[in-house]
Amino acid sequence: GQQLNQSPQSMFIQEGEDVSMNCTSSSIFNTWLWYKQDPGEGPVLLIALYKAGELTSNGRLTAQFGITRKDSFLNISASIPSDVGIYFCAAPAASGGSNYKLTFGKGTLLTVNP
Amino acid sequence: DSGVTQTPKHLITATGQRVTLRCSPRSGDLSVYWYQQSLDQGLQFLIQYYNGEERAKGNILERFSAQQFPDLHSELNLSSLELGDSALYFCASSHLTEGNTIYFGEGSWLTVV
Repeated sequence: GQQLNQSPQSMFIQEGEDVSMNCTSSSIFNTWLWYKQDPGEGPVLLIALYKAGELTSNGRLTAQFGITRKDSFLNISASIPSDVGIYFCAAPAASGGSNYKLTFGKGTLLTVNP
Repeated sequence: DSGVTQTPKHLITATGQRVTLRCSPRSGDLSVYWYQQSLDQGLQFLIQYYNGEERAKGNILERFSAQQFPDLHSELNLSSLELGDSALYFCASSHLTEGNTIYFGEGSWLTVV
């Protein structure tokens, strides 16, 4: 089946540093999504990308849809302690109609040291 | 708050037992999805319902079943529970006109002992 390879698995950074993480696959996708999960919460959508080459920002977060449609990148600038959490990439394995299955990467655990 | 409500938040039960997890989607959302999150498997899609009908199946065991009721709430039934079924079970919902985005509830944490 489709698999998303997310890296790095974890990051430990100092407050104020920039962060980069990425997701790759051998499959081509038409949509890339980035979610964040806080402890005890469900994943929350951060950014959705719908077009190859698209670069989209949400505050200090910027994500890009790779031109090959097989990868995506998420950057966080000037990290703050509340950025701590697990970041997931996800892509849909749509099979038409209203069918919609999201495949998730294994996640990147981000720790920010104040 | 995503607007997706799940109950119970925590559940501890013994092996061999059966439990039911409940989900109320966001107002107006017709699609409900169930996901399982475990340390070794990550987030895995289980099943999707749309307006009461099953629409897609993922890695859902035969011991598990789900349904979506006329009021659009959904239940996930887990039977003959095994230790390995311990996980966080998420419900998510979406409305098709919003494209490819779904909204997750806070999850139901199941511990099988």
